[in-house]
Amino acid sequence: GAGVSQTPSNKVTEKGKYVELRCDPISGHTALYWYRQSLGQGPEFLIYFQGTGAADDSGLPNDRFFAVRPEGSVSTLKIQRTERGDSAVYLCASSLTGLANLVSYNEQFFGPGTRLTVL
Amino acid sequence: QKEVEQNSGPLSVPEGAIASLNCTYSDRGSQSFFWYRQYSGKSPELIMSIYSNGDKEDGRFTAQLNKASQYVSLLIRDSQPSDSATYLCAVNLRGQGNLIFGKGTKLSVKP
Repeated sequence: GAGVSQTPSNKVTEKGKYVELRCDPISGHTALYWYRQSLGQGPEFLIYFQGTGAADDSGLPNDRFFAVRPEGSVSTLKIQRTERGDSAVYLCASSLTGLANLVSYNEQFFGPGTRLTVL
Repeated sequence: QKEVEQNSGPLSVPEGAIASLNCTYSDRGSQSFFWYRQYSGKSPELIMSIYSNGDKEDGRFTAQLNKASQYVSLLIRDSQPSDSATYLCAVNLRGQGNLIFGKGTKLSVKP
């Protein structure tokens, strides 16, 4: 079946501009995660959705970053007033379910990522 | 601070050998453990998950977990040049949905 898809694959923007990155999870997966990855580093957690609600947004670096998942499927990560330090690969992942009784055994599957470059 | 530590490598092994990749984690509340493979320029691909102490085998891959030592490893038997990639260790803490990743170990399998 289809995996996680992300658009665009590449985004080049100028400092100060607004960008939106889209993620379409695996059909039937209720949990969706955003991470970002810089060169030579592992993915860094940003935000996690269980259904339509943000279950954990503790990884968002500041209030320029915001994400929504209005219908419990597609999610959009929004970055305002972009800075050069925001340049990274933004990864989306989904899992069948999220936490159940405080335990997550659910395997997360990643999309191809969006490479964001802020000039 | 919750940390996942991996040797960055590169780890170089000859074709056909066993590659051994290691990972330690700092938080005893870690509940689930995963190994991802990441080819250059691509996104992470899940290859193994392990939740209880001991070994778990899947084809040429064996994951080993020792919660007392806070240690998880991945063995790749009969290594192939196509196994050359960065291997990311990830852990999930009890009560949290997200994964915490190490920086990855770069593996190079020489023909």
